[in-house]
Amino acid sequence: DTAVSQTPKYLVTQMGNDKSIKCEQNLGHDTMYWYKQDSKKFLKIMFSYNNKELIINETVPNRFSPKSPDKAHLNLHINSLELGDSAVYFCASSQDREAEETQYFGPGTRLLVL
Amino acid sequence: AQTVTQSQPEMSVQEAETVTLSCTYDTSESDYYLFWYKQPPSRQMILVIRQEAYKQQNATENRFSVNFQKAAKSFSLKISDSQLGDAAMYFCAYVSYTNAGKSTFGDGTTLTVKP
Repeated sequence: DTAVSQTPKYLVTQMGNDKSIKCEQNLGHDTMYWYKQDSKKFLKIMFSYNNKELIINETVPNRFSPKSPDKAHLNLHINSLELGDSAVYFCASSQDREAEETQYFGPGTRLLVL
Repeated sequence: AQTVTQSQPEMSVQEAETVTLSCTYDTSESDYYLFWYKQPPSRQMILVIRQEAYKQQNATENRFSVNFQKAAKSFSLKISDSQLGDAAMYFCAYVSYTNAGKSTFGDGTTLTVKP
């Protein structure tokens, strides 16, 4: 029973393409997140949604567009992929947006842009 | 803006011994939470331990404990009786009350456990 799942696990694509990464959580959480972990393992938040509403948008290029069709899903669509987009993308969720809440992470999606 | 600094990119420890990972942060806020997350080679991040800033008592979870020094803005993680399964990258994270939903992570410390 995977709590936070992401698809695909690996994604190899050419520059300029558009791709999507899907995330689903079955924990009944209200808040979901997208993080980017670069090749040096630096982990930075990109977006946060609470009850399908965007609450955090961290200076991410507008080529990245998150979409939350319902509380259990937060997908990430990336337009016009660039080499610098190569990274591991992690989805996470928490019970709500309160500071004390533990975040539960998905297994990550390794994106390689050629 | 808050920053989190982990000054040790890599650490190693002998199995069964104790190791301390350091974390310092910069904030002007008085209320916040601090977390340590572990990322093993499988990549899945999991919570190790968390600390509320308003609590003076250091958090403890089995072999994991923290040394929280609020005035010094320091939040170190001590791992006792290290096990091979503790080998991972450890991230320190800061979450403020006023901007909950946004976690600021340190750059991580890679811990190697030697048998």
